[in-house]
Amino acid sequence: GESVGLHLPTLSVQEGDNSIINCAYSNSASDYFIWYKQESGKGPQFIIDIRSNMDKRQGQRVTVLLNKTVKHLSLQIAATQPGDSAVYFCAENPNSGYSTLTFGKGTMLLVSP
Amino acid sequence: GAVVSQHPSRVICKSGTSVKIECRSLDFQATTMFWYRQFPKQSLMLMATSNEGSKATYEQGVEKDKFLINHASLTLSTLTVTSAHPEDSSFYICSASDQGVSEKLFFGSGTQLSVL
Repeated sequence: GESVGLHLPTLSVQEGDNSIINCAYSNSASDYFIWYKQESGKGPQFIIDIRSNMDKRQGQRVTVLLNKTVKHLSLQIAATQPGDSAVYFCAENPNSGYSTLTFGKGTMLLVSP
Repeated sequence: GAVVSQHPSRVICKSGTSVKIECRSLDFQATTMFWYRQFPKQSLMLMATSNEGSKATYEQGVEKDKFLINHASLTLSTLTVTSAHPEDSSFYICSASDQGVSEKLFFGSGTQLSVL
């Protein structure tokens, strides 16, 4: 289930389940979005990105969906594995062609064997 | 893929001392580098943007005299936390941009600063 911690929402799933992590972004002018995975004590790791002219993009075991109408982004992870346990952040680029990113609050994904 | 090296990974210092953190792009020239700060269970907050050969641009609320940024070459940016205090204890992360576009943004492994 999903619960809200002191600062970080947590999603707990069983190994093999599909996980869906959601993100609401703030700037309707943002045209580029990225999902990052951050393990404890490490820097963010790129997972997948999507441009605003698309509403879906698939990678290996991951799919990003973009709904610009409601400014919502989601990350779907298929067949979740214990190694997927981490904090996941969405990031938006409000300035096309420049690298300044605004990060969302993050969701902690906990995968039980 | 491109690699950004950040050093040290962990540092403990006494209150009042200064700490320097290095961020290096190992296989590309980083025209732009970014410094973030992250508190436990919180998101990354952009502190400043540095461009090679020019002054850094600081985000609102970030003290430029306290967090000195130097981007003297296309492969190295440094963040110096001057006169550190316990409230400066945090996880600091750099990222480097190749060609100045988000698709080419790579993150360092972070530096955990603990000020006693």
